[in-house]
Amino acid sequence: GENVEQHPSTLSVQEGDSAVIKCTYSDSASNYFPWYKQELGKGPQLIIDIRSNVGEKKDQRIAVTLNKTAKHFSLHITETQPEDSAVYFCAATLSGGSYIPTFGRGTSLIVHP
Amino acid sequence: DVKVTQSSRYLVKRTGEKVFLECVQDMDHENMFWYRQDPGLGLRLIYFSYDVKMKEKGDIPEGYSVSREKKERFSLILESASTNQTSMYLCASLDGSGWNEQFFGPGTRLTVL
Repeated sequence: GENVEQHPSTLSVQEGDSAVIKCTYSDSASNYFPWYKQELGKGPQLIIDIRSNVGEKKDQRIAVTLNKTAKHFSLHITETQPEDSAVYFCAATLSGGSYIPTFGRGTSLIVHP
Repeated sequence: DVKVTQSSRYLVKRTGEKVFLECVQDMDHENMFWYRQDPGLGLRLIYFSYDVKMKEKGDIPEGYSVSREKKERFSLILESASTNQTSMYLCASLDGSGWNEQFFGPGTRLTVL
């Protein structure tokens, strides 16, 4: 089955810096890669996603890149703000197939004011 | 506003008790999931259901069972709670296409004494 590795497990940055979280996946058939943000006391919520026919997607300060050949994808947050502090999860899914997402173990992002 | 709701935010039970965790979604989604979240281990899939009365084991089904009698409701049952089941439990739903995001509930923090 699919295996998703996520690094780092903890990331501490100063406000205004950029943050990068990286994930690798094992099943080359996976074709949908969502990123979720979990704030304290809440369930995870989708912040951005990318499909395998696209190499990059951007939404304001958040971007995701996908390298299918290397089987890795990354979340980039620019100009970080204290409200970006949360746990971030990557996932890989075979949509149209089993559609059961496989999650990374999460990254705790701390943005210091 | 779409929603996944869980019956309790916090629950304290005794070892050996039977515990029911309820989840309701209002999006008419076919697929529903129960996850367990522990520090450093990410989201681990306990059970999922792709239709009424249908269920499939996830990665860690031991000690749990589920029930889905209606499309909108998915229940997680701990037949005889044990201390190692102390955890955060998250319910999620997903539409049938698999291309879209999972919607998560706020979670239930279960403590078994």
